[in-house]
Amino acid sequence: DAGVIQSPRHEVTEMGQEVTLRCKPISGHDYLFWYRQTMMRGLELLIYFNNNVPIDDSGMPEDRFSAKMPNASFSTLKIQPSEPRDSAVYFCASSLGPSKPQHFGDGTRLSIL
Amino acid sequence: AQSVAQPEDQVNVAEGNPLTVKCTYSVSGNPYLFWYVQYPNRGLQFLLKYITGDNLVKGSYGFEAEFNKSQTSFHLKKPSALVSDSALYFCAVREGDNAGNMLTFGGGTRLMVKP
Repeated sequence: DAGVIQSPRHEVTEMGQEVTLRCKPISGHDYLFWYRQTMMRGLELLIYFNNNVPIDDSGMPEDRFSAKMPNASFSTLKIQPSEPRDSAVYFCASSLGPSKPQHFGDGTRLSIL
Repeated sequence: AQSVAQPEDQVNVAEGNPLTVKCTYSVSGNPYLFWYVQYPNRGLQFLLKYITGDNLVKGSYGFEAEFNKSQTSFHLKKPSALVSDSALYFCAVREGDNAGNMLTFGGGTRLMVKP
């Protein structure tokens, strides 16, 4: 299997712009997770989906953040408008269940200038 | 509430020596415990997990971990370290009895193996 695929790998944009991060989970996995990793805060769970339905978005920092999963093979994380403090590495992960190992993509390194 | 602590930001060990990366956890019910490794510019990779059964769990790349319920610990170990083991290691926990709970990750421990 190709693993979890994220795009883009790097994104540099100016403050105020809309940013869209994309994720293709492993086929057959019914859980999808979005994480943010920073030096200061470590790895934070932003939101997770089960069977394409958002279950817990309590980790989403602000209303500027939104996530969708229109089908089992695609999810997006959108930031609008972006701010410099949103700069981080964003990971997508998928799994076969809550107790099964999560498989991570290689992340999107986001820099907001 | 569930939480996990990795008390060491960095562990230094010489190649060929045994290594231990520490992890302690707190959950209300039965813990499901995981170790992940992260190499530079990569996502986290699963190493091993404890759900139930034997307290000594063996995983990828020669790593193992021991579940100790009385000490609420799940330390990662390897008998002989390799330079290529140098990476960032994360312990994670979830309360197994609560289907709505997902993983909580520790802050990570950087392992440096010197030749």
